[in-house]
Amino acid sequence: DGGITQSPKYLFRKEGQNVTLSCEQNLNHDAMYWYRQDPGQGLRLIYYSQIVNDFQKGDIAEGYSVSREKKESFPLTVTSAQKNPTAFYLCASRIGQGKMRATNEKLFFGSGTQLSVL
Amino acid sequence: GDSVTQMEGPVTLSEEAFLTINCTYTATGYPSLFWYVQYPGEGLQLLLKATKADDKGSNKGFEATYRKETTSFHLEKGSVQVSDSAVYFCALTSPIKAAGNKLTFGGGTRVLVKP
Repeated sequence: DGGITQSPKYLFRKEGQNVTLSCEQNLNHDAMYWYRQDPGQGLRLIYYSQIVNDFQKGDIAEGYSVSREKKESFPLTVTSAQKNPTAFYLCASRIGQGKMRATNEKLFFGSGTQLSVL
Repeated sequence: GDSVTQMEGPVTLSEEAFLTINCTYTATGYPSLFWYVQYPGEGLQLLLKATKADDKGSNKGFEATYRKETTSFHLEKGSVQVSDSAVYFCALTSPIKAAGNKLTFGGGTRVLVKP
């Protein structure tokens, strides 16, 4: 079955430690996104990538880094510079611009990773 | 910039009650509008969408109409079930190419349906 997979489901970070959240999709989608969800709040965009080897900062990129070396993978690293990392992290993908009218494409979401600080 | 405002929850209803969740937006041009649903511990799933003014999106008994004149996209369901308990997010995508087709989300509305 095609889909988008995030791992791990739960992750704990020690102070000063970098941690990496995995996101893999087998939907052949060009565009991938990372969102952060805090309790009782909406989703805020961290980083996004519209094509392999290219990515852009979202609204809250500070303290995070990403890479897009392969089309199917878009890992997110939460660095020690992110002082309030506890949140639910959601990865998403869509087909991308040029393939169809991009503005009405739906996003496919992973099941999320809950990151907590020890 | 673009923004989406939803009514705050939680909204608590009895089974078979009528549900309305208000959503208004601010955007340049004519965005596409979406409702996503999030069940506990899961990611978001697209519930319905509308891409132009007066379009009505519908799915699983839910409906929402794209109202350009009031910049609104309110979600409605005539008779809710316990299984509709979830968090509902209103969202938009900017038609401006430079925006990268990012989704802008509202804050989410938690709905709890009691038997």
